[in-house]
Amino acid sequence: DGGITQSPKYLFRKEGQNVTLSCEQNLNHDAMYWYRQDPGQGLRLIYYSQIVNDFQKGDIAEGYSVSREKKESFPLTVTSAQKNPTAFYLCASSPGLAGAGGTQYFGPGTRLLVL
Amino acid sequence: GQQVMQIPQYQHVQEGEDFTTYCNSSTTLSNIQWYKQRPGGHPVFLIQLVKSGEVKKQKRLTFQFGEAKKNSSLHITATQTTDVGTYFCAGRSYGQNFVFGPGTRLSVLP
Repeated sequence: DGGITQSPKYLFRKEGQNVTLSCEQNLNHDAMYWYRQDPGQGLRLIYYSQIVNDFQKGDIAEGYSVSREKKESFPLTVTSAQKNPTAFYLCASSPGLAGAGGTQYFGPGTRLLVL
Repeated sequence: GQQVMQIPQYQHVQEGEDFTTYCNSSTTLSNIQWYKQRPGGHPVFLIQLVKSGEVKKQKRLTFQFGEAKKNSSLHITATQTTDVGTYFCAGRSYGQNFVFGPGTRLSVLP
């Protein structure tokens, strides 16, 4: 069964702690993305990766870090430097390069709540 | 930088009525995509438009890409309760990443 998995579905953390969100895809897609969605708002791009061991900052990368050591995995770390980390985080992948207009397939998302 | 706006922000319709959401970009787009997000769910791809003036249909949904490639619309004919959700457009300028609009949240009253 192909798709994108994100875990966990809900995540609670204390302020000041780093937290890593998992994203795995078995679609053999080259490009992967991380978006942040706040209530009632659209998606904002945090980071994206077109190929293993390479990634680029999106519009709101400050306070976040990523790695792309394997094609199928693109974990996102929300660091203590992120001032407002509470949000819904969505991972996506696409078969084509990030800027080539490929259809993006989204995972189910992780809701992060920082107390 | 590139900005993508959508109107209206919210739309409440009676089941059976039509619905239209509009997407406008501050820059010329190379292509535009539409996604639907059900309440509590994740965005699901609906369609991509590439050509100036392009019109595509999916059953009761009609998508248009403006002649100037700076705007787009999604029209739903005879809405059903299954159409409830937020509809996002995502526009891409040449050489840039997709920028999502803020979405239009559709409520359908039975």
